[in-house]
Amino acid sequence: NAGVMQNPRHLVRRRGQEARLRCSPMKGHSHVYWYRQLPEEGLKFMVYLQKENIIDESGMPKERFSAEFPKEGPSILRIQQVVRGDSAAYFCASSGAGDQPQHFGDGTRLSIL
Amino acid sequence: GQNIDQPTEMTATEGAIVQINCTYQTSGFNGLFWYQQHAGEAPTFLSYNVLDGLEEKGRFSSFLSRSKGYSYLLLKELQMKDSASYLCAVSGSNTGKLIFGQGTTLQVKP
Repeated sequence: NAGVMQNPRHLVRRRGQEARLRCSPMKGHSHVYWYRQLPEEGLKFMVYLQKENIIDESGMPKERFSAEFPKEGPSILRIQQVVRGDSAAYFCASSGAGDQPQHFGDGTRLSIL
Repeated sequence: GQNIDQPTEMTATEGAIVQINCTYQTSGFNGLFWYQQHAGEAPTFLSYNVLDGLEEKGRFSSFLSRSKGYSYLLLKELQMKDSASYLCAVSGSNTGKLIFGQGTTLQVKP
């Protein structure tokens, strides 16, 4: 039962380091979404990708954050020079098409020391 | 702007019925979704409404009125395992990105 797979589940980084979060979509899905959930807050959209294309990055911070979904391999959310405020749960979701329900992975909990 | 409102917390009794309301104001509308999220876990899909009316799926039903910008999730025969956060989300564009409300934390008591 291959759902959306995210790794690592937990990631600890020191301020200034880089964080790489991985997401493999559900089998047959080609649409990938990244969301961020800060403590006590709702999920916030970050970016929407299809294979080799960024479709909508309106929720991405302008600096330090980038995302990719290469032709082969998982989608990567990359955060450079992390700061304390980046501590959050990062969820990936996938769907078979833009108007179909999104299915979420278990998330990566990022902690910045 | 984009705004989705739902109550922060609700409490109900095991075996009872509870209705969780959601109102939304978005610049576009391509459907409304309800998700369930247990603490520390992934949101799981519950229901999808794009046309006005009631969608029933087992103990869970969801209603939509597009003219009023209003939806509700109805949970019947509540069980202790239904204690969770319930997230209302709107797809406001054809890219499929979801705009989430803050979530309603439901506590089911014996």
